[in-house]
Amino acid sequence: AQSVTQPDIHITVSEGASLELRCNYSYGATPYLFWYVQSPGQGLQLLLKYFSGDTLVQGIKGFEAEFKRSQSSFNLRKPSVHWSDAAEYFCAVGLNQAGTALIFGKGTTLSVSS
Amino acid sequence: ETGVTQSPTHLIKTRGQQVTLRCSSQSGHNTVSWYQQALGQGPQFIFQYYREEENGRGNFPPRFSGLQFPNYSSELNVNALELDDSALYLCASSLAGQGPGYTFGSGTRLTVV
Repeated sequence: AQSVTQPDIHITVSEGASLELRCNYSYGATPYLFWYVQSPGQGLQLLLKYFSGDTLVQGIKGFEAEFKRSQSSFNLRKPSVHWSDAAEYFCAVGLNQAGTALIFGKGTTLSVSS
Repeated sequence: ETGVTQSPTHLIKTRGQQVTLRCSSQSGHNTVSWYQQALGQGPQFIFQYYREEENGRGNFPPRFSGLQFPNYSSELNVNALELDDSALYLCASSLAGQGPGYTFGSGTRLTVV
């Protein structure tokens, strides 16, 4: 069965430091992969997505992610974290281009220390 | 771009009651999905509608049902509410053929007591 694993429940990063959030997926074919961010009490905002092509994708707010098929991973990175990046981050896999169902991981909570 | 609007933002219901949650999608977005997000969890796919027909469903019982209307609005109905139905319900829309990457609403927080 398809699944998404985010191994880190909670991460704390110093402001200005780099960030990497891990995501591993289980899916038989080429997946459509997404990262979303959720601030407290809010809906989900799409940070970036991967369908095909260049395995390094750029997103909003200075985020990027790299698709590694051999490792079944799609890790999210940011070179310098800002206090406003503190939020919940979700990795998701879409099962086809029509968008039938997104399977989400359980999320990683990012705290930013000053 | 008008976004995705959900109403109400908060709701309290009693176990056994029925509830209707509403979503207004972006103009032209003919695909809408609903998700349930329990506290501390990732969203779980309930079902998806495309051109007013259900075309995908997650592992939710039939008491979860939906409707999609020609004006890009949609409803999620839940009958016989249970305590475990307490969650944030998220609506998301997209334009079929443009690839997934939903626009999510801010959700409705449902509390069942």
